[in-house]
Amino acid sequence: KAGVTQTPRYLIKTRGQQVTLSCSPISGHRSVSWYQQTPGQGLQFLFEYFSETQRNKGNFPGRFSGRQFSNSRSEMNVSTLELGDSALYLCASTWGWRVGANVLTFGAGSRLTVL
Amino acid sequence: AQRVTQPEKLLSVFKGAPVELKCNYSYSGSPELFWYVQYSRQRLQLLLRHISRESIKGFTADLNKGETSFHLKKPFAQEEDSAMYYCALSPPGVTGGGNKLTFGTGTQLKVEL
Repeated sequence: KAGVTQTPRYLIKTRGQQVTLSCSPISGHRSVSWYQQTPGQGLQFLFEYFSETQRNKGNFPGRFSGRQFSNSRSEMNVSTLELGDSALYLCASTWGWRVGANVLTFGAGSRLTVL
Repeated sequence: AQRVTQPEKLLSVFKGAPVELKCNYSYSGSPELFWYVQYSRQRLQLLLRHISRESIKGFTADLNKGETSFHLKKPFAQEEDSAMYYCALSPPGVTGGGNKLTFGTGTQLKVEL
């Protein structure tokens, strides 16, 4: 069965622009989480969606937002890009929420470079 | 606040030598604990989780609540074990914490011949 699919895989933007990243979870998975990975800060949780509702949010500014659609696909948006937003953005999916020790399956990531 | 500490950025061992990757955590309560691994040019993937008490690819991890540690061990390192290893925790499911993972900074394991 297909894994977690993220698009685009690579993109280059300039400061002040906005970007939208997409994530298609594994079929049947209803929870989608987003993480930012940078050499300096490591892996940091952005937010989690389940049944089209944001269930958890990390400590990121309001420029970072997301949503989930009825088919569980998710998008995240970053507005007014800053140089520090350059990172690998990882999406992960799992089947449930509030059930404990759910195994996350990660996508390959979208590498964003902000110039 | 929850925190995961992996004190070693790089651990280099010889093939056949024992491996121990250290992980200490800070959490008020009993979190769920995981080890994730990222092999070169591959996706981040689950290696093992503490509730399963399983051995994967020869690796085991013991939860020590008194020392708040969850070290990863393997008695005999293999070349294919070379990878980046991340320790992570999430709130227990009953608290409604969802699937939010707090990751450590990772340890790069290099197995030399």
